[in-house]
Amino acid sequence: NAGVMQNPRHLVRRRGQEARLRCSPMKGHSHVYWYRQLPEEGLKFMVYLQKENIIDESGMPKERFSAEFPKEGPSILRIQQVVRGDSAAYFCASYFPDRVGAGELFFGEGSRLTVL
Amino acid sequence: AQKITQTQPGMFVQEKEAVTLDCTYDTSDPSYGLFWYKQPSSGEMIFLIYQGSYDQQNATEGRYSLNFQKARKSANLVISASQLGDSAMYFCAIKKENAGGTSYGKLTFGQGTILTVHP
Repeated sequence: NAGVMQNPRHLVRRRGQEARLRCSPMKGHSHVYWYRQLPEEGLKFMVYLQKENIIDESGMPKERFSAEFPKEGPSILRIQQVVRGDSAAYFCASYFPDRVGAGELFFGEGSRLTVL
Repeated sequence: AQKITQTQPGMFVQEKEAVTLDCTYDTSDPSYGLFWYKQPSSGEMIFLIYQGSYDQQNATEGRYSLNFQKARKSANLVISASQLGDSAMYFCAIKKENAGGTSYGKLTFGQGTILTVHP
């Protein structure tokens, strides 16, 4: 959905560098989700954040990955010391919790990370 | 835990014909929602259709319909009158819902089916 803005769309990093992916949800939404799509696979849930709170990080790798959603500014997914296995598409989704059923999750266009 | 199985890695269909993409699911949640998303080669995720587990009727959205068979735990997507632009990867997904139908957006996705529409 065009309302969820992710940047950069494409990011290339060498092994050991840091990657920062940003997501601005739809206007009026204060809940964001991050999903990861490895090559040839479906999306997998990583983390759910509200402003200044991590609600569910059960899908986040234990090391090198972190996420935040500050009071002001976009949500950021940070990957430290990237390895080739981190190469994937990272999707952010915006959520309006009071809306029932279809369309609760609006996905951004994704950020494609390539680790050389 | 929830699980989605899409057994068709790839499907082919002739333009203007109908095609069914299979999806079976497993969940212990009494209330859940089922989704289909389309991912074209450009990579974005496009929501197609939603079915709530307590919905009595199968969901329809234009050329898309969801053949929901709760007892069989299947939620197949039917695309009628296929178009060349339908060529894409299609994902089935499930999430837990509260009794009132609200929930948070933690989806479990299947592996996807690549649909190719031939002219």
